[in-house]
Amino acid sequence: DADVTQTPRNRITKTGKRIMLECSQTKGHDRMYWYRQDPGLGLRLIYYSFDVKDINKGEISDGYSVSRQAQAKFSLSLESAIPNQTALYFCATSDRRTTDTQYFGPGTRLTVL
Amino acid sequence: EDKVVQSPLSLVVHEGDTVTLNCSYEVTNFRSLLWYKQEKKAPTFLFMLTSSGIEKKSGRLSSILDKKELSSILNITATQTGDSAIYLCAVDKRDDKIIFGKGTRLHILP
Repeated sequence: DADVTQTPRNRITKTGKRIMLECSQTKGHDRMYWYRQDPGLGLRLIYYSFDVKDINKGEISDGYSVSRQAQAKFSLSLESAIPNQTALYFCATSDRRTTDTQYFGPGTRLTVL
Repeated sequence: EDKVVQSPLSLVVHEGDTVTLNCSYEVTNFRSLLWYKQEKKAPTFLFMLTSSGIEKKSGRLSSILDKKELSSILNITATQTGDSAIYLCAVDKRDDKIIFGKGTRLHILP
């Protein structure tokens, strides 16, 4: 089984709809991240969480919100989706006790029409 | 403003060639530099570099950090078509943020 899973893997939605992307991990890591990837821009950090009670904005948090429901779960919400939020979204985890290595989920391709 | 710049943005070579990918950075509170390989979708971790001048090696891939020049290179020798991917460089900061470059898209021709 994959250590970091994301659901859904693909989603097409319309402008104005609320969307939630979910991330679960079985690695026991305390840190979780949400990124988006756009062609030519690399990965950009949306939000990150160092534990259940610690949520931080990344470089492009506007239009997004997150919830860390448990150590193993970190969800990303688009309250009112817009077309420029069409992108590939990655969840990642890391453990501060070992290395700074991040482990990525398989990604969610979101298309906002 | 923190930034990580990779070059070239894209590269096409023939199988068997050796390639060198570059990453330069300007960030505050540098902690480490990371290289990832991204095929199809999710990036996979390659190297973490914290000390200047110490080469890290994994098979045909190697990487080294130059803190004086604020840069790193990723070398791939005897390239294979399976090396075709986007290679991402990132800098991990002491405030626990990670800044990514835009990546180098490498295509290996058979």
